Amino acid sequence: EDKVVQSPLSLVVHEGDTVTLNCSYEVTNFRSLLWYKQEKKAPTFLFMLTSSGIEKKSGRLSSILDKKELFSILNITATQTGDSAVYLCAVFSGANSKLTFGKGITLSVRP
Amino acid sequence: DVKVTQSSRYLVKRTGEKVFLECVQDMDHENMFWYRQDPGLGLRLIYFSYDVKMKEKGDIPEGYSVSREKKERFSLILESASTNQTSMYLCASSPGTQTYEQYFGPGTRLTVT
Repeated sequence: EDKVVQSPLSLVVHEGDTVTLNCSYEVTNFRSLLWYKQEKKAPTFLFMLTSSGIEKKSGRLSSILDKKELFSILNITATQTGDSAVYLCAVFSGANSKLTFGKGITLSVRP
Repeated sequence: DVKVTQSSRYLVKRTGEKVFLECVQDMDHENMFWYRQDPGLGLRLIYFSYDVKMKEKGDIPEGYSVSREKKERFSLILESASTNQTSMYLCASSPGTQTYEQYFGPGTRLTVT
């Protein structure tokens, strides 16, 4: 059974801090790993990672994948209150053509 | 921009009622998905469809069925709603089997009393 584990489950930081969100996985026939941000509405796409060691970057957010150790991290630098959200990690399996989601990480950024 | 819409944002139904949740996407996507999201459990796949009139069971299909008569529309049906089906329901679509990114609708918060 495919499995995606995110950690920590929640964290609280102050504006300006840097945070690292973790995602580990066990998936048959791995194809890609995706990160989403969910505020009080639909998840919105952040990154898709398919190759090890290649950093994806968008503004203050960046992410990298390690296919040998089966994990990914999402970094957010200089956090802002608008970064407060649930961050979801999902992995696509070529064996069953499905996305398996982790339970999400709730990030709260205090002013 | 891809747009995925769901028929209702909030819905309250009684136990035993038949419930229809509708999802429409406007980008000619091949694939459509229904998830439910519950605190502490994350998103769980109920059903998905890779083509018109085609459906596949996800991880938690019990108590649900689906219908895809047109490419742009994917309906989730609760034949006899129960209180344990109170949840946030999210629809998603994606362009094709080699494209992994899914685009989500705004969600329907269903309460079964």
